Amino acid sequence: NAGVTQTPKFRVLKTGQSMTLLCAQDMNHEYMYWYRQDPGMGLRLIHYSVGEGTTAKGEVPDGYNVSRLKKQNFLLGLESAAPSQTSVYFCASRNHLDEQYFGPGTRLTVT
Amino acid sequence: GENVEQHPSTLSVQEGDSAVIKCTYSDSASNYFPWYKQELGKRPQLIIDIRSNVGEKKDQRIAVTLNKTAKHFSLHITETQPEDSAVYFCAASLMTSGYSTLTFGKGTMLLVSP
Repeated sequence: NAGVTQTPKFRVLKTGQSMTLLCAQDMNHEYMYWYRQDPGMGLRLIHYSVGEGTTAKGEVPDGYNVSRLKKQNFLLGLESAAPSQTSVYFCASRNHLDEQYFGPGTRLTVT
Repeated sequence: GENVEQHPSTLSVQEGDSAVIKCTYSDSASNYFPWYKQELGKRPQLIIDIRSNVGEKKDQRIAVTLNKTAKHFSLHITETQPEDSAVYFCAASLMTSGYSTLTFGKGTMLLVSP
């Protein structure tokens, strides 16, 4: 039981490049979330999903897209990376008791 | 939407002392209040949570209290140890459906000195 996993762990992009971050969970959770964490800003919600095939916008959705084609996977895409998207990205899934479990994070640098 | 304020931003204590971190929330309807601990370079981990029908909850050296009238909740760590050093985040939410989301405070860096 791996819990929540994320790939890649680290990535450096040039401005304008695109990439996809993958989140996977093996706990059969319906709800999944993407957050970004910046120094002094806490965790801010980018997008989330309440089930396979659904997505919804969070607090800071601009510049990101998501997809939930399979229940266990939640993808976060950056179509045209900007330096302001330099951050640590965390995925999380939530169980029926409202408890959220986080992945190990992806550190993204955009130059 | 919900707004969560967390204080202090940094807290230094001596090993064995108690530490208290406080959060206030804006939406009186919020009913779920978790606390997360994040060690340096690691993922946030849920350490304790409380729901609005409970005033206090304890788990060994940690406890959380909730004052719904004042809209604030606090994390109490007793007999602190160096391994308690981390950033702690509070959060609040009105958990009514799958569309419910957590709003996090900005975090408190706790440093426990031996």
